[in-house]
This record gives sequence, C-alpha cells and structure tokens, in this order.
Amino acid sequence: GAGVSQTPSNKVTEKGKYVELRCDPISGHTALYWYRQSLGQGPEFLIYFQGTGAADDSGLPNDRFFAVRPEGSVSTLKIQRTERGDSAVYLCASSSDIRVKTEAFFGQGTRLTVV
Amino acid sequence: KQEVTQIPAALSVPEGENLVLNCSFTDSAIYNLQWFRQDPGKGLTSLLLIQSSQREQTSGRLNASLDKSSGRSTLYIAASQPGDSATYLCAVQGGNYQLIWGAGTKLIIKP
Repeated sequence: GAGVSQTPSNKVTEKGKYVELRCDPISGHTALYWYRQSLGQGPEFLIYFQGTGAADDSGLPNDRFFAVRPEGSVSTLKIQRTERGDSAVYLCASSSDIRVKTEAFFGQGTRLTVV
Repeated sequence: KQEVTQIPAALSVPEGENLVLNCSFTDSAIYNLQWFRQDPGKGLTSLLLIQSSQREQTSGRLNASLDKSSGRSTLYIAASQPGDSATYLCAVQGGNYQLIWGAGTKLIIKP
C-alpha cells in the first residue's frame, strides 16, 4: 500500500477482554515498530521487528502484551486481560531498514479505550 | 538514559509570524533526529530528518537545525499559516534504534 495502515482506527473494549491491533507496513519495509501514546505525551517505544523476529521488545510493559510478525510484513499487537491503564493510541511505524539511518513512516494509530 | 524535552509546551501566534520550536536531548550519541507533525485524531507525519552528521535540513517553509554537542534542535517555521496548527514532536534515534520522543509543542496559528 501507499502508507502504513492500522486497523481498527478505534477500539472500545471492556476491562479484562483480549484485543488485537493490526499493522500493515509499507510494502518492502523490513523494520516495523510499535509505540504507545498517552494523552498529552509523546509516544513510548514498545517493540520493533527486523523481518519476522522481534529485535527488541524491551518496551512491552508486562507479559499481557505480545506482538507477532509471522511473515515479515503484517504485525499484530495482542493485549490480554486489558486494563483501563492500557487506554492509549497505539502507533505502528515502518522503515526500510533499521540498520540504516532512514526515517520511519507512521500509521494513523489505533485508539484503544478500555472501559 | 536519553531524555527529550520540548519547549514551549504550547504556543499561540498570529498568522504570518516566523516562529521557532525547541527540542533538547540529554545524550548526544544519536543517529538522527526527526521532527513530526501530529494533527488531532491522526497519525504522525514526518517533516524533517537530520542525520547526526548534518547541521540542518530544509523543506519549504520549514528549517530544522541540529547541534549535537549541545543537545539541541530547533524547528523554524516561516510565514506561519492557520494550517500549520498542530502538535509538533521531535524524536531522536540512538544506538538501540528506538525513537525517544519529546512531549510535543502544541502550536496554534491565529488567523
């Protein structure tokens, strides 16, 4: 596609439920990042992938969060037993190669609200 | 630990004025610095990327400078327009490839 696509754009879920957030990166981009942005703050790093593998997952807040990228393209961020504190905008970005100093392109984000 | 600070947090100026947004970072060992624009309810749009070896980048009415040694970057916007109203974020990329972000400057251009 022309840009990074994230679905859904909005998600409202009840506390304790499981959610999946999807990211379609720019075609051919090997690096993919997930960030989380709370209201009034800058994004915070969660995880990045180089190809299919998670090169750095140090930003995942706890073991309720997990992300996959099985074929090196689409990625899914999975959150188990959601809590109200998980409410935020989840942003996905891709770049051509994280080992090269290239810019990252962001999707429009998924706004997650846990009620 | 890298920390990025943006000042001011909010800025309101009349249309047509030139303005400067500031970004500072604590660790000068960066690969690059990016300025982004974020509109309400929308994603992030990359405006300018400055590599660590560069001093500035220009795109249209925007000019971004980088002084690695002092840990500072500025985004200069010339002849501001109401359409420039948005939140502007800067982010630095270090050796672990993560982007570390400031909290942003919310800019309002008054017609």
